[in-house]
Amino acid sequence: QVQLVESGGGLVEPGGSLRLSCAASGFTFSDYYMSWIRQAPGKGLEWVSYITSSGTYTSYTDSVRGRFTISRDNAKSTLYLQLNSLRAEDTAVYYCAREAARPDYWGQGTMVTVSS
Amino acid sequence: QSVLTQPPSASGTPGQRVTISCSGSNSNIGSNTVNWYQQFPGTAPKLLVYSNDQRPSGVPDRFSASKSGTSASLAISGLQSEDEADYYCATWDDSLDGWVFGGGTKLTVL
Repeated sequence: QVQLVESGGGLVEPGGSLRLSCAASGFTFSDYYMSWIRQAPGKGLEWVSYITSSGTYTSYTDSVRGRFTISRDNAKSTLYLQLNSLRAEDTAVYYCAREAARPDYWGQGTMVTVSS
Repeated sequence: QSVLTQPPSASGTPGQRVTISCSGSNSNIGSNTVNWYQQFPGTAPKLLVYSNDQRPSGVPDRFSASKSGTSASLAISGLQSEDEADYYCATWDDSLDGWVFGGGTKLTVL
């Protein structure tokens, strides 16, 4: 069965960095686009970034472009999100999601808290 | 402010039919198919409807959805207490080159 397991979240000070990982199993990872989607506490869902199956193309929402970097290692079936220059408004649960023409399977999420 | 507009709340009594609307624009709903997600507190969203009106296996046929122009709607018939959750519409936005979501609708079963 499809499994997506995020890790790497935690408490970080404003301006700091984190690297999130998403370990995939139960499907051929290299065949699928992947996305990161976040949810601030008590708020709705916000798409953050996606990456094509080969990793050659990426896209970001305006608020994170230039600060976040999505990448993947198909040999390790792992998706990454490098978060730099973090701000308080980046505080959220970060989900990775498989894209099969739409985000279909989601991980359980990892919490990122940006606070001094 | 979400790109897609949903009512923040909806409610109904057991057995009733409720609908949740989702409004967008030509660059998103008007050009692409709509998906709906169900989310319970503390858990990840689950795909409830895809491609406007298709249900993944295991989703009861009490859940139905449709799209017309730049709007979409989700209907839940025979409302049950376990349907109490947050519901989100989502679609691709050609202008933003990314997914856009509605702000979510909290469904309460009275």
